[in-house]
Amino acid sequence: QVQLQESGPGLVKPSQTLSLTCAVSGDSINSHSNYWTWIRQPAGKGLEWIGRVHTSGSTSYNPSLKSRVTMSSDTSKNQLSLKLTSVTAADTAVYYCARVEGANGWFYFDYWGQGILVTVSS
Amino acid sequence: SYELTQPPSVSVSPGQTASITCSGDKLGDKYACWYQQKPGQSPMLVIYQDDKRPSGIPERFSGSNSGNIATLTISGTQAMDEADYYCQAWDDSTAVFGGGTKLTVL
Repeated sequence: QVQLQESGPGLVKPSQTLSLTCAVSGDSINSHSNYWTWIRQPAGKGLEWIGRVHTSGSTSYNPSLKSRVTMSSDTSKNQLSLKLTSVTAADTAVYYCARVEGANGWFYFDYWGQGILVTVSS
Repeated sequence: SYELTQPPSVSVSPGQTASITCSGDKLGDKYACWYQQKPGQSPMLVIYQDDKRPSGIPERFSGSNSGNIATLTISGTQAMDEADYYCQAWDDSTAVFGGGTKLTVL
């Protein structure tokens, strides 16, 4: 059974960098599509795609966040990471990592982590 | 930027059919998928590639996509189906979610 577990600080100060890790178990991040993704959800609101990372290192980011986001993968640790710089209160949300399955044009997110609440506040 | 539009809410009586729409420019030329999210839980994939059900998803969930509209249909809706539903598609290399639809079973 594939499991994803997000971890990181639950509280980040404004203007600082949000850093999260997603540990994957039950599957190698080098399997299936080799793509993994991050998605966030502010309280009471909808889902927002942040971006995706391929285990080769290639990335695609949401244009609205592109200037502040960096995603990477570590195949030796079987984990993913997300960094979001210059955070503001608007970045307060539950952050999810998820596995990307499928192929170009019809990728979908089949396994999700439980999510981690990150609050931006001084 | 590409946008997907969903009705904020849909209501259905138990045992009846619920239809949730997702509209976007030439959405039928793309593939749509649907996620179910219950309160306090992570989203769960219920339909991918327009009309395919992942293993473990009941047959009462079905999907279609044509023209500018993708539709999630739940036949014989049960109380356990009450949840938020999100459509999602890709615009080039960017994933786009609809705003979500709250399905109420009453």
